[in-house]
Amino acid sequence: DIQMTQSPSSLSASVGDRVTLTCRASQTINSYLNWYQQKPGKAPNLLIYAASSLQSGVPSRFSGSESGTDFTLTITSLQPEDFATYYCQQSYSNPWTFGQGTKVEIK
Amino acid sequence: QVQLVQSGAEVKKPGSSVKVSCKASGGTFSNQAISWVRQAPGQGLEWVGENIPILGTTKYAQKLQGRVTIIADESTSTAYMELVSLRSEDTAVYYCARRGSTWPLEAFDIWGQGTMVTVSS
Repeated sequence: DIQMTQSPSSLSASVGDRVTLTCRASQTINSYLNWYQQKPGKAPNLLIYAASSLQSGVPSRFSGSESGTDFTLTITSLQPEDFATYYCQQSYSNPWTFGQGTKVEIK
Repeated sequence: QVQLVQSGAEVKKPGSSVKVSCKASGGTFSNQAISWVRQAPGQGLEWVGENIPILGTTKYAQKLQGRVTIIADESTSTAYMELVSLRSEDTAVYYCARRGSTWPLEAFDIWGQGTMVTVSS
């Protein structure tokens, strides 16, 4: 199985900050990497697919990039509604696997 | 646009079984890859298994193989996940999710609201 490792596990940031979350795959997954946002008591919501494509309806302050087996989710100007937990997930090979999540908290 | 609506919360005894439903509205059900993902309290997301009716294929997470069954009823556009021999560690919110199967949108883009399954004596 492909292991997905996210860092950091949590971070504190302020409204307006630029935030960068990282996800590393245990083997090559090409661009088969997706990012989700989850708020407490809610289902995850797809933000980015194929490493850098913005899902319809998602604000443009969210962006994704890749470098080899390392993937990054960037939020350019953190908004109050962005405080949540973020998960990466590989769709390269079954079983589909998720990272352990990064919780973004208010500083 | 496909919407997924799941059945309500369940409380089960250890050793019993649970069956959770996920009804799809909109779109062509048989074309959809429906996965199940679970989340234990305070924990991350874990893929459980997936069914693709049009291909007649089903895959399961290895750790649940033998205890989980996922089926699809195309006549009612409903997917089901049954888990048997329940243990306390199966306590979780179970989500169904549509997985896009065409590049580049091969992601879980539509989710059900989740079903809480509590296993307790």
